[in-house]
Amino acid sequence: KAGVTQTPRYLIKTRGQQVTLSCSPISGHRSVSWYQQTPGQGLQFLFEYFSETQRNKGNFPGRFSGRQFSNSRSEMNVSTLELGDSALYLCASSSPDRKAFFGQGTRLTVV
Amino acid sequence: QQPVQSPQAVILREGEDAVINCSSSKALYSVHWYRQKHGEAPVFLMILLKGGEQKGHDKISASFNEKKQQSSLYLTASQLSYSGTYFCGTGRGNTGKLIFGQGTTLQVKP
Repeated sequence: KAGVTQTPRYLIKTRGQQVTLSCSPISGHRSVSWYQQTPGQGLQFLFEYFSETQRNKGNFPGRFSGRQFSNSRSEMNVSTLELGDSALYLCASSSPDRKAFFGQGTRLTVV
Repeated sequence: QQPVQSPQAVILREGEDAVINCSSSKALYSVHWYRQKHGEAPVFLMILLKGGEQKGHDKISASFNEKKQQSSLYLTASQLSYSGTYFCGTGRGNTGKLIFGQGTTLQVKP
């Protein structure tokens, strides 16, 4: 089975711009979660989508949003980028028995 | 509420054992353990569901004490490949949402 695929792997954006990250989960997995990883804050939960519906949401501002499509692929969007948004963004797809597998991540740098 | 991991860092020689603890102030439904090497994604190690079970594969095992709301990861006869940062993630309910601890850095030296 193919693993979780995230694109792009690296991004450099300017403050104030917006960005869209993509995640293709493992085939058959309907739950997709997004996490932000930074050296200072560690791994922080952003949101989870299941069957095209947001099922859980973390404590992030409304500039962070996401969606899931009928094929379970998910996108997350960050608008009005700030320097503090620089991070590794990880997507995880979960199996029905709750095992979560991570993609390689998208390294976002805001300048 | 973020689970608390201890110790924050540990250095071992090859062949030595280590224990990493994960404690939560909230009731746990599941505990998930991951290892992340520098520049790579976290890799799934194991999941423990409430019921106090113990799981293991190869020389890595874990326990889950539901009453104490804590889990421990046991690494025996450590190998160089065990080096990395270990994270515990706690789940509540039947969803994919995980709250991760701050991580424990493990370094195994020859």
